[in-house]
Amino acid sequence: DTGVSQDPRHKITKRGQNVTFRCDPISEHNRLYWYRQTLGQGPEFLTYFQNEAQLEKSRLLSNRFSAERPKGSFSTLEIQRTEQGDSAMYLCASSSAGEQYFGPGTRLTVT
Amino acid sequence: GQQLNQSPQSMFIQEGEDVSMNCTSSSIFNTWLWYKQDPGEGPVLLIALYKAGELTSNGRLTAQFGITRKDSFLNISASIPSDVGIYFCAGRDFGNEKLTFGTGTRLTIIP
Repeated sequence: DTGVSQDPRHKITKRGQNVTFRCDPISEHNRLYWYRQTLGQGPEFLTYFQNEAQLEKSRLLSNRFSAERPKGSFSTLEIQRTEQGDSAMYLCASSSAGEQYFGPGTRLTVT
Repeated sequence: GQQLNQSPQSMFIQEGEDVSMNCTSSSIFNTWLWYKQDPGEGPVLLIALYKAGELTSNGRLTAQFGITRKDSFLNISASIPSDVGIYFCAGRDFGNEKLTFGTGTRLTIIP
């Protein structure tokens, strides 16, 4: 399967802990996106990379969130000091100047 | 964050019926997309529209890019059980990478 992959698929953590998610884009896609989706809503844009450069960040991305794409391939999204409001599905997508293709998501539950 | 308005919010239909749903925005987009999402999975791209007034088909699915650039429509003909899921519209502005998603239309097929 050569689609976008995300790891882990599910994460349960206690409030205050740090979590990190990984996204592997479709090979040769130079653009990578992170979105957050809460229950009953559509995905909301968080941030976007072109190669290793982070070109846009949403105001939704508080200072507890950080995303990296160090070699222009896979990306990580870290949430520090998690809060219950961080519970959501975190979606990654990739593209090569065309449309965005999404991975299966990582569902985060903060207890 | 901003979410586009989708109507209806949910639909209950019988197998074989045709389905229509729409999406409206307060601002103009130059690309409209339709995605389908199954429970616990990421959105899957169905149709992309790039020009006002454009009508595009993908099998039993037909979508239109509204002339005002502020709306889009999706029709599904002769629905089948695998059409069940949540349908999201998404808009993208010129020169902007982020997608703005709608609130979703949940399609259920009644046996």
